Amino acid sequence: AQSVTQLDSQVPVFEEAPVELRCNYSSSVSVYLFWYVQYPNQGLQLLLKYLSGSTLVKGINGFEAEFNKSQTSFHLRKPSVHISDTAEYFCAVSDRGGFKTIFGAGTRLFVKA
Amino acid sequence: NAGVMQNPRHLVRRRGQEARLRCSPMKGHSHVYWYRQLPEEGLKFMVYLQKENIIDESGMPKERFSAEFPKEGPSILRIQQVVRGDSAAYFCASSSRGADTEAFFGQGTRLTVV
Repeated sequence: AQSVTQLDSQVPVFEEAPVELRCNYSSSVSVYLFWYVQYPNQGLQLLLKYLSGSTLVKGINGFEAEFNKSQTSFHLRKPSVHISDTAEYFCAVSDRGGFKTIFGAGTRLFVKA
Repeated sequence: NAGVMQNPRHLVRRRGQEARLRCSPMKGHSHVYWYRQLPEEGLKFMVYLQKENIIDESGMPKERFSAEFPKEGPSILRIQQVVRGDSAAYFCASSSRGADTEAFFGQGTRLTVV
């Protein structure tokens, strides 16, 4: 069975500063990895996904994430955040060939002026 | 192309009543997932369905909860005899294939049990 741990429940950061949201997963099989963003009172929107190939994945809104198999991590990064990036971010994993996507508990990103 | 449509957006039920949550997947999507989000928690997988079939219901509580995705019409998540602990946001997602494709989420149904 897979599991996902998001190490920070809240991350406050000033506008234009860099940010990293951490995600570790555990799985006995190869996985797909995802980051989703949830704005207040909205559903989730896909930021980026890792299926195979290059371990550095670029997504929408200037976000990127790096798959590190040895450390079983998939941390999300952005070099310069905006106020509009304030939202909740979810890391998710699903096993290849399976259909169930497991989500982490979420990290709430607060961007301050 | 309309996105995933969930209704109602907000639902208030008294303890003991039934709650019915509807989800219309995106056009062309035959895979539907239901998740529950409790306050300050992440999304918890409940059930995965394809048309007329339940593929994985390992996240569904054993009692009072059921889900269906009929050949025609929306997917329905039904909660019988609701209790206060059922209060949560329930999200539906759909995809065109399985785990390697993007799941598109609805805006959720916020159930409040009073």
